Amino acid sequence: DTGVSQDPRHKITKRGQNVTFRCDPISEHNRLYWYRQTLGQGPEFLTYFQNEAQLEKSRLLSDRFSAERPKGSFSTLEIQRTEQGDSAMYLCASSLALNSGQSSYEQYFGPGTRLTVT
Amino acid sequence: SQQGEEDPQALSIQEGENATMNCSYKTSINNLQWYRQNSGRGLVHLILIRSNEREKHSGRLRVTLDTSKKSSSLLITASRAADTASYFCATALTDSWGKLQFGAGTQVVVTP
Repeated sequence: DTGVSQDPRHKITKRGQNVTFRCDPISEHNRLYWYRQTLGQGPEFLTYFQNEAQLEKSRLLSDRFSAERPKGSFSTLEIQRTEQGDSAMYLCASSLALNSGQSSYEQYFGPGTRLTVT
Repeated sequence: SQQGEEDPQALSIQEGENATMNCSYKTSINNLQWYRQNSGRGLVHLILIRSNEREKHSGRLRVTLDTSKKSSSLLITASRAADTASYFCATALTDSWGKLQFGAGTQVVVTP
């Protein structure tokens, strides 16, 4: 069982640079989620994919953020023109939905990518 | 915005004691889930309770759900040092496609 993996685990970048994170979900999972977590807080939802379709984006996700899940497998989250306020832990999670409806299931989280913007 | 609020924010107990933490939420839910997070790491799913369930057990964990009060509790019995972690409740709203809304968490420290 490989679980959900994320790469890189840590990223330090200068303000204004672009960064890209990768998430590999559990192979048979059809749903993939991105969350952001700052110190002392719980994760906040960013966006969600069912297979390759991006079905929902949070208002937290500004135009500088973009996510993709080509072929419904791994996903990437890109942040353009990073700002110091983007510093956070970026968590990816996946789940197996047994139907295409709006039911929810337990999510399996990766270890996260910690972003520091200097 | 965070839907759930955990209480207390922090809890310190000794090994063998029980730990109870509560979660309140605001809107109608499909289910409520509890997760554990060890320092600076990913979250681990503990238990899921659906809106039509009132109580659920898993090993040393007991979760209750009161939809009329929009609240849930997590009880960890006979705590161990390894239970030291942050515990989060997360609600899945009825029309949310499964996205979770987390509270700020309860930090639990279990001393040997």
